[in-house]
Order: sequence, then structure tokens, then C-alpha cells
Amino acid sequence: DAKTTQPPSMDCAEGRAANLPCNHSTISGNEYVYWYRQIHSQGPQYIIHGLKNNETNEMASLIITEDRKSSTLILPHATLRDTAVYYCIVSGTGTASKLTFGTGTRLQVTL
Amino acid sequence: NAGVTQTPKFRVLKTGQSMTLLCAQDMNHEYMYWYRQDPGMGLRLIHYSVGEGTTAKGEVPDGYNVSRLKKQNFLLGLESAAPSQTSVYFCASRPGHPGPLHFGNGTRLTVT
Repeated sequence: DAKTTQPPSMDCAEGRAANLPCNHSTISGNEYVYWYRQIHSQGPQYIIHGLKNNETNEMASLIITEDRKSSTLILPHATLRDTAVYYCIVSGTGTASKLTFGTGTRLQVTL
Repeated sequence: NAGVTQTPKFRVLKTGQSMTLLCAQDMNHEYMYWYRQDPGMGLRLIHYSVGEGTTAKGEVPDGYNVSRLKKQNFLLGLESAAPSQTSVYFCASRPGHPGPLHFGNGTRLTVT
């Protein structure tokens, strides 16, 4: 599975959009990009995933560049409850799709 | 639908003791995973299973064993606990690729 690079921390004002970048320059054609978040010490929560096209759900939007080497998770109107560690993961097909987590980006949403 | 349930939530062991952590899911998922998370770090994969009766090693399998005798359960065993195994353990399941992981709430284990 391809490795990912994320900034260790980011700040965002409440009500503004939070844009979290992820670099995955070694991604291969059949690998998906997944985003999870972890609030305090709870179990990680799934946010969104995609292969090539941009995706949107009730929580966030995922923008994947055309060459698929990077992506951005967008929380359109961040709230204090979005303060968490966000993990970007790349994982391929087949039974050995292990979903390896890195250290993520700690997003701090402030008033 | 309870999702992924981990038992116990907390446990304190002495060095050398053994224990089994239980993970149960009621979503009929094929794949199940055990991760550990140490303070300030991301999750590291211990073992995983892609179906009933199958298991495979992850990044940090040493000192742990697993079994998947029933599709809904994935057991993580520590035969002889060591202080280095003090951690928070998370279980997760997914229906298959590319489905998302669903996590339990974790087991906090302290080995003294």
C-alpha cells in the first residue's frame, strides 16, 4: 500500500472551511484514498473515500488531483466538534488491503 | 445494530500473565483487524483476518496471537504480557474492499 504524508497540525476558525491536504505520490491505479478521524481516544471514525473522482457526503468533500498524487479533505463549515486527528490512508484491492495508519493531522478548530 | 463491540474496556495485567481480548461485530463483515495505539502515535496493525478461519500478520505481530473461529468474532491473545504491550487496542471490521473500516471503542490495557 502507498504511503501518505500529512502536515502534523493545522488550525481553523469555527465556521470556516477546513482544508486538510494529503500527499500520496506513490499511489497505484487500483488504490483508494480513505479519510478517518479520531476524536480524543475514541475509535477512529470513517469520513469518506474515493478512487479518482471527487466525492461528497454529509460530512465532507474529497478532492483528488487528476494525477491522483494528492488529495484534500474539505470540512465545509468546521465546528469545535471537528477538532480531532485526521488520517489519510491509501489502500489497494485484494485480500491484503491492510489500511495502514500514519500519524495524521491534528486539526484544532478555534472560536 | 451494536456495530463493533470490544470486551473488556479496561484491564490491568501483571508481567507474564495472559489474557484474551474479544471483538464481536454484528454487521456480517468479512474482514476484521486488530490495531494498537500508543500515546501520541497512529494506529499500528497487529493482525488481521479476511474471513472465518483465516488470519494474517500485520506490522507488529510479535507477542500476540489471534483466532477467527466464527465470522463475527476476532480474538486477540497475549500469552505472556510485557510492559511494552501497554496500549490501547482497537478492533475494526469491514465488509470487504473498498468498504470502510468500522471501529470499536477500544480496550485500554496496562501491563505492570
